[in-house]
Amino acid sequence: SAVISQKPSRDICQRGTSLTIQCQVDSQVTMMFWYRQQPGQSLTLIATANQGSEATYESGFVIDKFPISRPNLTFSTLTVSNMSPEDSSIYLCSVEPGGRKTDTQYFGPGTRLTVL
Amino acid sequence: LAKTTQPVSMDSYEGQEVNITCSHNNIATNDYITWYQQFPSQGPRFIIQGYKTKVTNEVASLFIPADRKSSTLSLPRVSLSDTAVYYCLVGVGRDDKIIFGKGTRLHILP
Repeated sequence: SAVISQKPSRDICQRGTSLTIQCQVDSQVTMMFWYRQQPGQSLTLIATANQGSEATYESGFVIDKFPISRPNLTFSTLTVSNMSPEDSSIYLCSVEPGGRKTDTQYFGPGTRLTVL
Repeated sequence: LAKTTQPVSMDSYEGQEVNITCSHNNIATNDYITWYQQFPSQGPRFIIQGYKTKVTNEVASLFIPADRKSSTLSLPRVSLSDTAVYYCLVGVGRDDKIIFGKGTRLHILP
C-alpha cells in the first residue's frame, strides 16, 4: 500500500491566479496520476506524471494550463494556471505502487479548489 | 477499453446484504475487474479486484460469471458508514490508463 498526502487540502483563489498542489507519497512509486473531480461527478484523468520526463496529458488538458512536475519518485506537483471559476473542483493525485497496470491505485485525500 | 454500466443509485437498510452489478460486455481477455469506494470529501479507496469466479476479502465479495461480461460486488450486512459511491473499473486503456465510470451512489438507511 501507499500513504499519500496533498497540500493544500483546500483553497479559495481569485480568477486569473495560479495554485500549485503538492502530492507526497511515503514510498517510491513509478506511476503517479492527477485527476479532477467536479462536484457530484466521477473522476477525470488529467495526466500521468512521469519521473524524469514530461507528463502525459489526456485529451482536453494541456501543459500550459496544468503544468506538472515530478522531480523524484515520491513527489509531484500540479499547477492550475490562470484560474477561472470553471476550474473549481477537487484535484486528486494517485499512485500505482506495483507499476503494473492491473495493480490498484491509491489516492490522496484531494485538494478542494474554489475559484471566485 | 471496456465500458462499464452500473446503476446510478441504490438504497438499502442497515444489516442487509447489498449487491451492485456492473456490466462490461466488451471486457478483454487480459482485463481485471476492480471496485473502488469513495466517501464524500475523500479520494477513492480500493475495495476488491478479481479476474474470474469469486474473490472475497474482509470487506466484500466479488462474483464474476464464466463469460466475465458482468460482475457483482456484494457487501454483507451494510451499515450507515457504507454510504458511498462505488465505482466498477475494467481493464486499462491502450495507454494503460485507469478510467472511472459514473459509479453507483449507495445510500444506507437506518
